[in-house]
Amino acid sequence: NAGVTQTPKFQVLKTGQSMTLQCAQDMNHNSMYWYRQDPGMGLRLIYYSASEGTTDKGEVPNGYNVSRLNKREFSLRLESAAPSQTSVYFCASSGRTGTHNNQETQYFGPGTRLLVL
Amino acid sequence: DAKTTQPNSMESNEEEPVHLPCNHSTISGTDYIHWYRQLPSQGPEYVIHGLTSNVNNRMASLAIAEDRKSSTLILHRATLRDAAVYYCIPFSNDYKLSFGAGTTVTVRA
Repeated sequence: NAGVTQTPKFQVLKTGQSMTLQCAQDMNHNSMYWYRQDPGMGLRLIYYSASEGTTDKGEVPNGYNVSRLNKREFSLRLESAAPSQTSVYFCASSGRTGTHNNQETQYFGPGTRLLVL
Repeated sequence: DAKTTQPNSMESNEEEPVHLPCNHSTISGTDYIHWYRQLPSQGPEYVIHGLTSNVNNRMASLAIAEDRKSSTLILHRATLRDAAVYYCIPFSNDYKLSFGAGTTVTVRA
């Protein structure tokens, strides 16, 4: 049981290049999320997918697109990377379980460190 | 979204208790109070949550004020592995966790 996995772990891009960050979870969770974390700050929600087939914007969606490929996988795409997108990106998943009184608690991946030059 | 106020940082000695306060005076009546922590260079992890009653689990205890305008996360015996940023988050089960700056906890050996 790997939990939430993210690839790649680290990436350097030039301004204008595109890339896709991959995320997968093996906990059979319905909901998945993408966050970014800038140095010294808390996480900010980019997009989320409440269930397979749906996606919604979070707090900072501009410059990003997402795809919920299936129940396990949720990808984040940068079409034209900008230096302002230099950040650490975290994927998370959540599902209601009896162990948490049916609250949606989120499980996070290890992060992808992205540097845009 | 309810606003939260947490101290920027707290220090503790190993094996001593740590009390982390959080003010959430604008919390709605149905929001739960969730706590997450983020160890260095890792993603956040769930710690505990509660609504009105005090809660305990293997990681920590959560004491919630009777008026629900504040809460305190208690680490009973801090270890070096507890050094992290701790986030207090009012949550209405609408999928959107809102992370503030949190409290950076330093544990001295």
